[in-house]
Amino acid sequence: GESVGLHLPTLSVQEGDNSIINCAYSNSASDYFIWYKQESGKGPQFIIDIRSNMDKRQGQRVTVLLNKTVKHLSLQIAATQPGDSAVYFCAENLYNTDKLIFGTGTRLQVFP
Amino acid sequence: KAGVTQTPRYLIKTRGQQVTLSCSPISGHRSVSWYQQTPGQGLQFLFEYFSETQRNKGNFPGRFSGRQFSNSRSEMNVSTLELGDSALYLCASSLAGRLQETQYFGPGTRLLVL
Repeated sequence: GESVGLHLPTLSVQEGDNSIINCAYSNSASDYFIWYKQESGKGPQFIIDIRSNMDKRQGQRVTVLLNKTVKHLSLQIAATQPGDSAVYFCAENLYNTDKLIFGTGTRLQVFP
Repeated sequence: KAGVTQTPRYLIKTRGQQVTLSCSPISGHRSVSWYQQTPGQGLQFLFEYFSETQRNKGNFPGRFSGRQFSNSRSEMNVSTLELGDSALYLCASSLAGRLQETQYFGPGTRLLVL
């Protein structure tokens, strides 16, 4: 089962290269941000999160950068692998709510 | 620990019918949220339940409803189905429904309305 439709922005990278996926969020009152990865036929899988009092957070092979001035979020994947191929979504959590607002998603394709 | 489970995984209905989808959260999780995913609109929040009470609701018509049971399992119901209701319906659970808490998603139920 596909996760999203045919007209997503697509990022194609070579195996071993670094990937940068960008996201513009909509609400300056959002105070918590999450990156999810969605593979075909599966639900979104949590990758990494960041709170608005931080600019950068690192995980295993992934780094999230937050620029609140321009409402921009990015996900950096180091040494991209074929298993990283998926659709990546950023999500913002509106302040004082439990509601997540998702971006449109970016399809990452990794070729050998 | 088992993840979020959703049943059924696939469903075909016709216009005008109603449908009930089920979600079992991760053991110990008390908050369940529902999302609709379509190619045109992406992932959209439907509603969130905590301790059997709806706490948040998205911008969907009243045909979409849900409930949560005392064991935290949740169901969502869509009445008078329309073609545009064809989508992947995802549920997500979190531990206590606190702010800034990670939500874990199930595999989804793919609904096709003919």
